[in-house]
Amino acid sequence: EAQVTQNPRYLITVTGKKLTVTCSQNMNHEYMSWYRQDPGLGLRQIYYSMNVEVTDKGDVPEGYKVSRKEKRNFPLILESPSPNQTSLYFCASLSRGGYEQYFGPGTRLTVT
Amino acid sequence: QKEVEQNSGPLSVPEGAIASLNCTYSDRGSQSFFWYRQYSGKSPELIMSIYSNGDKEDGRFTAQLNKASQYVSLLIRDSQPSDSATYLCAVSDYKLSFGAGTTVTVRA
Repeated sequence: EAQVTQNPRYLITVTGKKLTVTCSQNMNHEYMSWYRQDPGLGLRQIYYSMNVEVTDKGDVPEGYKVSRKEKRNFPLILESPSPNQTSLYFCASLSRGGYEQYFGPGTRLTVT
Repeated sequence: QKEVEQNSGPLSVPEGAIASLNCTYSDRGSQSFFWYRQYSGKSPELIMSIYSNGDKEDGRFTAQLNKASQYVSLLIRDSQPSDSATYLCAVSDYKLSFGAGTTVTVRA
């Protein structure tokens, strides 16, 4: 079954404590992306990756890091989380041209 | 920064009516256009994609694209209560940018 998995699904943490949200896809897609969703703001792109070892900033990259060491995995790293990073996060995987698109189930992060 | 604007909601339609959703985009280089449906607390689900000017129909959904006017729309015919959701417009050249979404409520 084609899918994108994210872990954890829910996370409550404290300011400054480093965390990683994992994302994995099983469709051999080259393009992967991270989004955050906040009420009234829609989906905003944090980082995206066109292929292994190729990453680029999206619209709201501040405070986030990513890596793409292998095609299937695209982790999102918050080195020093702050309360303004409280949000719902989605990982997405797309085929070339966008003909196939899959979103992960989401990670709800709360930073206190 | 690519801008994608959707008509503000929420949009309330009676069951069986047509729901019309609009989206404009700022980047003339955009090549691919998508509509997603998102239920509350769930991940977005791709429902329509369109790449060339004109109409594309899939069941009760019709997407319309006009690149000259930088406009893409989604029509939902014979609206059902199960269509109640937030609809997101997205455009892409090599990365995907989303509008803020329009919430649709279908009244039984």
